[in-house]
Amino acid sequence: QQQVKQSPQSLIVQKGGISIINCAYENTAFDYFPWYQQFPGKGPALLIAIRPDVSEKKEGRFTISFNKSAKQFSLHIMDSQPGDSATYFCAASFLSGGYQKVTFGTGTKLQVIP
Amino acid sequence: SQTIHQWPATLVQPVGSPLSLECTVEGTSNPNLYWYRQAAGRGLQLLFYSVGIGQISSEVPQNLSASRPQDRQFILSSKKLLLSDSGFYLCAWRHGSYNEQFFGPGTRLTVL
Repeated sequence: QQQVKQSPQSLIVQKGGISIINCAYENTAFDYFPWYQQFPGKGPALLIAIRPDVSEKKEGRFTISFNKSAKQFSLHIMDSQPGDSATYFCAASFLSGGYQKVTFGTGTKLQVIP
Repeated sequence: SQTIHQWPATLVQPVGSPLSLECTVEGTSNPNLYWYRQAAGRGLQLLFYSVGIGQISSEVPQNLSASRPQDRQFILSSKKLLLSDSGFYLCAWRHGSYNEQFFGPGTRLTVL
């Protein structure tokens, strides 16, 4: 019930295209859903996050769509660029016993080709 | 602004040797601190978290331990490394009032 299932495992997109990564969760206690971007050999960087009372959040070319009833959320990268090539992790969290319990997806390796 | 440091950046150690990885956070006080391990091509596994000095909770039983001797310092240790301890170790911090977790640059550990 703590799992966050992420798909696809890898993704190849043409420059200028839309990259879409999907995540699904089971635990309805989750109340915060961040996405992280990780370049090889670096720590993950927080990209964008959403709460379940909002169905969509947009920051620049990055948009999170959230479907509370389906317990699914997705990351859309518009006008994908080669510099977006990285591994993306979705996550879901809630507070438990005074600390934030975060469950990460298994990651999607995105390659944007020119 | 807040910054998080990890030391060393890379480490190669023989099986059975001890380990000490250090994480320090600047620009904030009383952060929640976390140690994660990331195996090659895999997701992040939470190892330890701490809500204050001397307060450590373990998520996964293993031969690793953690300590928090100062408010903004978090240390990951082992008395005897195993081959399976190889991986990318990440420290993260979070301000107690907010949800966002911020990761350090990581330490690449190879156990031979």
